[in-house]
Amino acid sequence: GENVEQHPSTLSVQEGDSAVIKCTYSDSASNYFPWYKQELGKGPQLIIDIRSNVGEKKDQRIAVTLNKTAKHFSLHITETQPEDSAVYFCAASLRTDKLIFGTGTRLQVFP
Amino acid sequence: SAVISQKPSRDICQRGTSLTIQCQVDSQVTMMFWYRQQPGQSLTLIATANQGSEATYESGFVIDKFPISRPNLTFSTLTVSNMSPEDSSIYLCSVEGGQGSFGYTFGSGTRLTVV
Repeated sequence: GENVEQHPSTLSVQEGDSAVIKCTYSDSASNYFPWYKQELGKGPQLIIDIRSNVGEKKDQRIAVTLNKTAKHFSLHITETQPEDSAVYFCAASLRTDKLIFGTGTRLQVFP
Repeated sequence: SAVISQKPSRDICQRGTSLTIQCQVDSQVTMMFWYRQQPGQSLTLIATANQGSEATYESGFVIDKFPISRPNLTFSTLTVSNMSPEDSSIYLCSVEGGQGSFGYTFGSGTRLTVV
């Protein structure tokens, strides 16, 4: 079955700097890769996703890149703000199938 | 995207008792998913619930411990049975998009503490 590894487990950056979180997956058949942000006491919120037929997707300060050959994908947050502080999870799945989550990255953005 | 209402939002329960968690979606969806998130951990899928059929459980989860109902296309319940302190977790339901939307949406979760 699918296995997703995520690094780093914690990440601290200064406000305005960029943050990068990386994930690798094991099942080459996976074709859908979402990223979730979870704030304390809340459920995960989808912030961006990418399908396997696309190499990069951007939404304002957030971007995701996918390397299918190497089976890894990354989340890039530019111009970080204190409100970006949260736990971020990557996930992988076959489209319309269950999500397999990474272990999570706790991002702290210091003013 | 679909909007999920999950309740209760939190509960404190005595060991040996059972708790039923409800998940209501504002649109019809084929599959509903139940996840467990242990303190400080990632999300682990418990089971997938399709309307009109038995839920499909992941390795390590059994129906006797986590019975699931799916009476229609907008509602599901998860029961945590014969609880022990090890069951203290956040339980989340999730659906895929809904109404042709893309992506999986999560409810706000049920924070369960077993004492």
